[in-house]
Amino acid sequence: GQSLEQPSEVTAVEGAIVQINCTYQTSGFYGLSWYQQHDGGAPTFLSYNGLDGLEETGRFSSFLSRSDSYGYLLLQELQMKDSASYFCAVPQNQGGKLIFGQGTELSVKP
Amino acid sequence: DTEVTQTPKHLVMGMTNKKSLKCEQHMGHRAMYWYKQKAKKPPELMFVYSYEKLSINESVPSRFSPECPNSSLLNLHLHALQPEDSALYLCASSQVGAGIIKTQYFGPGTRLLVL
Repeated sequence: GQSLEQPSEVTAVEGAIVQINCTYQTSGFYGLSWYQQHDGGAPTFLSYNGLDGLEETGRFSSFLSRSDSYGYLLLQELQMKDSASYFCAVPQNQGGKLIFGQGTELSVKP
Repeated sequence: DTEVTQTPKHLVMGMTNKKSLKCEQHMGHRAMYWYKQKAKKPPELMFVYSYEKLSINESVPSRFSPECPNSSLLNLHLHALQPEDSALYLCASSQVGAGIIKTQYFGPGTRLLVL
């Protein structure tokens, strides 16, 4: 089976750095993706890690360790607009199927 | 144009009604998806179309009927739904390639309420 675990809620203050962890158990692994979803909005692709290491895109970075079945999303210089749900997801080798974690609700406080 | 559009934004229907949700993309993507999302939960895959052919049906009840009239359009026909089908229905699209599909582009969804 497939399972992804991430914290349900994280709270941080503006300007801070926050890390959202994701551990996975999958039969076959084809990379780890991250999506952001604001309340009432569409999920938006943030990043994809196919290989071990860090991928950086502006204030957001994502890390993968395949040997540990673990990844994280790092958000720096937090802004109020970063308050959203963040989902880790694993693509399957099956026609675009995407398995999502339960999501982490990030609240950024002033 | 990197946008997936969905209509309507909101829909209220009775259990005996028939309605349709529509999705459109003009990114040249040849894979399109329907997801169902309940509040505070992740999106759950329902259907995948690849090159306008149904490639994945995640054991969705027959009261949901997908249709892909062409490479830009995706419909979801609804009939005899139950109140528990109330949810946000998301459409997504992606490229199709030989490797893993890394990115899906989601529309804003249709928020459905079944009375």
